[in-house]
Amino acid sequence: GQNIDQPTEMTATEGAIVQINCTYQTSGFNGLFWYQQHAGEAPTFLSYNVLDGLEEKGRFSSFLSRSKGYSYLLLKELQMKDSASYLCACMDSNYQLIWGAGTKLIIKP
Amino acid sequence: IAGITQAPTSQILAAGRRMTLRCTQDMRHNAMYWYRQDLGLGLRLIHYSNTAGTTGKGEVPDGYSVSRANTDDFPLTLASAVPSQTSVYFCASSEGITDTQYFGPGTRLTVL
Repeated sequence: GQNIDQPTEMTATEGAIVQINCTYQTSGFNGLFWYQQHAGEAPTFLSYNVLDGLEEKGRFSSFLSRSKGYSYLLLKELQMKDSASYLCACMDSNYQLIWGAGTKLIIKP
Repeated sequence: IAGITQAPTSQILAAGRRMTLRCTQDMRHNAMYWYRQDLGLGLRLIHYSNTAGTTGKGEVPDGYSVSRANTDDFPLTLASAVPSQTSVYFCASSEGITDTQYFGPGTRLTVL
């Protein structure tokens, strides 16, 4: 079956760095997406990886290893506004997104 | 309109009633999607449309129907609501089926 695993909750300190991991098993692979979702709001797109390696976008970076079925989202210089859920999603062979349950990130001052 | 809009924002519905959730996008995206989001679970695809005039079933289509008469609109209908359909419903769109999906603000539906 298809499966996306990510930690349920993580806590980090303002100004620090946090890494959110995601492992996946899908039928086919056409890319991996990270979304941010604040409580009560819609998911918003953060990053997309289809090739192995690191994609950097400001304070956020995303890494992909297709051979290991593994990705992470790295958030640097954490701010209180980064408190949100982070959703990992893989695009399968039918070009449908399979979603993880999300990682709730709590930032403490 | 900018992006995707959904209506209503929230709704409380008696079981057995018919309900249509509306979704409109102004980005001229070809593909549109309906998801439901439940606590502790990932987003689950209900129905999708790769282009106007076509629709397909997702992971959890039972009890729901959709239509795609034009590019902009993608309504989701619950023919006879049941309490297990209590959820937050998100509509999304993408330029093509391989492209990034952008989400509407969601509809919070409670079926009693």
